[in-house]
Amino acid sequence: EAGVAQSPRYKIIEKRQSVAFWCNPISGHATLYWYQQILGQGPKLLIQFQNNGVVDDSQLPKDRFSAERLKGVDSTLKIQPAKLEDSAVYLCASSLDRLADTQYFGPGTRLTVL
Amino acid sequence: DQQVKQNSPSLSVQEGRISILNCDYTNSMFDYFLWYKKYPAEGPTFLISISSIKDKNEDGRFTVFLNKSAKHLSLHIVPSQPGDSAVYFCAASMTGGSYIPTFGRGTSLIVHP
Repeated sequence: EAGVAQSPRYKIIEKRQSVAFWCNPISGHATLYWYQQILGQGPKLLIQFQNNGVVDDSQLPKDRFSAERLKGVDSTLKIQPAKLEDSAVYLCASSLDRLADTQYFGPGTRLTVL
Repeated sequence: DQQVKQNSPSLSVQEGRISILNCDYTNSMFDYFLWYKKYPAEGPTFLISISSIKDKNEDGRFTVFLNKSAKHLSLHIVPSQPGDSAVYFCAASMTGGSYIPTFGRGTSLIVHP
């Protein structure tokens, strides 16, 4: 079974530029999550999708971050404009449904904002 | 305000010995606890979990103990192997809510041959 795929794996941008990350969850998984992991901290949830609808985006900085999962499968997370403090690993995870007790994580995208 | 705390950033253990990783939580509404393991350049992978109705769960070399009154859980690895060297994240969630886990900062375990 293929795992959660993410691209790119690494991205370096200047502050105020925009960037987008892509995630392809495990086939059949209805729920998709985006996490931000700052160095030395645990993953923090940014947004949770159930199929193509948003379940929880309370921690998403909506003035600069946006995410979509238009067809209920792949998802894109965008940052525009990026700030220095956005430097982090962005992890995508999926689960069978939102009440599933186990999430499966992708390898993450390491973002460096200069 | 950290609701899940892993106070030891790192732990070094000899191969074959026991590794004990600790985790404390502050929110009494948490009733489901998980441990994830993370290798460099990879995402976290689920290791073991425990519900608050239990005080112990065992899976091979891994055992998680839960002390609800102390709001403390620990992960025991016996015997430790060099391949266990990784960052271990403790996470807690509320099953009455969305199951979304709150993660600790992680403990880096190094098992020496």
